[in-house]
Amino acid sequence: ETGVTQTPRHLVMGMTNKKSLKCEQHLGHNAMYWYKQSAKKPLELMFVYNFKEQTENNSVPSRFSPECPNSSHLFLHLHTLQPEDSALYLCASSQEAQGGYNEQFFGPGTRLTVL
Amino acid sequence: GQNIDQPTEMTATEGAIVQINCTYQTSGFNGLFWYQQHAGEAPTFLSYNVLDGLEEKGRFSSFLSRSKGYSYLLLKELQMKDSASYLCAAMDSNYQLIWGAGTKLIIKP
Repeated sequence: ETGVTQTPRHLVMGMTNKKSLKCEQHLGHNAMYWYKQSAKKPLELMFVYNFKEQTENNSVPSRFSPECPNSSHLFLHLHTLQPEDSALYLCASSQEAQGGYNEQFFGPGTRLTVL
Repeated sequence: GQNIDQPTEMTATEGAIVQINCTYQTSGFNGLFWYQQHAGEAPTFLSYNVLDGLEEKGRFSSFLSRSKGYSYLLLKELQMKDSASYLCAAMDSNYQLIWGAGTKLIIKP
């Protein structure tokens, strides 16, 4: 595997379900990100981890819970979601979360539908 | 507040040239990124500008004017595969990317 991978690619869940999204990067990076992408809206940064430490939480509701066990893996645990949470969830990684030129590499995303 | 503006949609003809504009307002500035995103796929990096001027990379060029808070992406010799969304993102003083909503580029034969 190369680059950034995400599983599952598609997920349909009810509002009472609990599910988890997984992201893995094979680039030797130290920073990982979760973004939400809704149609015709800018990418919304949700969480940032730098060297396994959470450095950013952009006022994300507690029904989204991130976990970063090591620099290569990032999870997003979901519970009691709302229909408006339906979106494409993108994971990205970069060499680190500080510093100027810091290209982010994205995974293919998980298309989430909440019924 | 922080804001990125770019056109929602543009249409161009195969073989032609198109310029996608982006204006930004951020708290501090650490560079301007352009990404390409094909439908259903991950965004992929195209360019990064931090100094004023034009950066050329094959058929794609990116321009930055820091004093005007303005950038553009220039695509030459358009091909059908260039049909995609183009995302502009400015890096603020905290090294966070502030994203535009993207410009959907439609290429017609």
